[in-house]
Amino acid sequence: EVQLVESGGGWVQPGGSLRLSCAASGSIFRNDWMTWVRQAPGKGLEWVANINGDGSEKNYMDSVKGRFTISRDNAKNSLFLEMNSLRAEDTAVYYCARDQYFGKLDAWGQGTLVTVSS
Amino acid sequence: DVVMTQTPLSLSVAPGQPASISCKSSQSLVHGDGRTYLYWYLQKPGQSPQLLIYEVSSRFSGVPDRFSGSGSGTDFTLKISRVEAEDVGVYYCMQGTHLKTFGQGTKVEI
Repeated sequence: EVQLVESGGGWVQPGGSLRLSCAASGSIFRNDWMTWVRQAPGKGLEWVANINGDGSEKNYMDSVKGRFTISRDNAKNSLFLEMNSLRAEDTAVYYCARDQYFGKLDAWGQGTLVTVSS
Repeated sequence: DVVMTQTPLSLSVAPGQPASISCKSSQSLVHGDGRTYLYWYLQKPGQSPQLLIYEVSSRFSGVPDRFSGSGSGTDFTLKISRVEAEDVGVYYCMQGTHLKTFGQGTKVEI
């Protein structure tokens, strides 16, 4: 069974930066696509970015392209989301999830809250 | 970008009664490999989302058989044959054929 634990959330001013981490355990990590999904307060789910097993392929939603960078360290079974130029609309709980294939998100973390506010 | 539209946005169901949620996509979800990457997720109150249905109609491990998915192309449906109290929450469809897009969510109450 895969276990995912996010960390790194917090409060940041508009224009600031934050780095989220997701620690994976319990199953093979290095072959898995991994995904970040976010949920603004009281709103629905929004797919943010994903990365393939060796980190060579990355995809982003349009509104975060050029500001967010997804990466991973397979030696440490860790996934990251570097977020720069943060905006108020980036305020959300950020979940990491394992993507078995084409969006089959079969394991989710508990989420970490990012608040962007002055 | 593919837009996923769910209806209704909220649903109140008596225990033991059926429920149905529709999800329509702005483009066909049939992938070049012939498969259709349409999923259903449930987010129970205070919890992370969980996978219910994958590839339109396959139930994920541990999902009760009162949940079923159907559809093709651009029109999809999630049905709960007999709603139980533990089924409350927000249901999301999500497509994985053209990057990834979630529907707005459907809140199910008892």
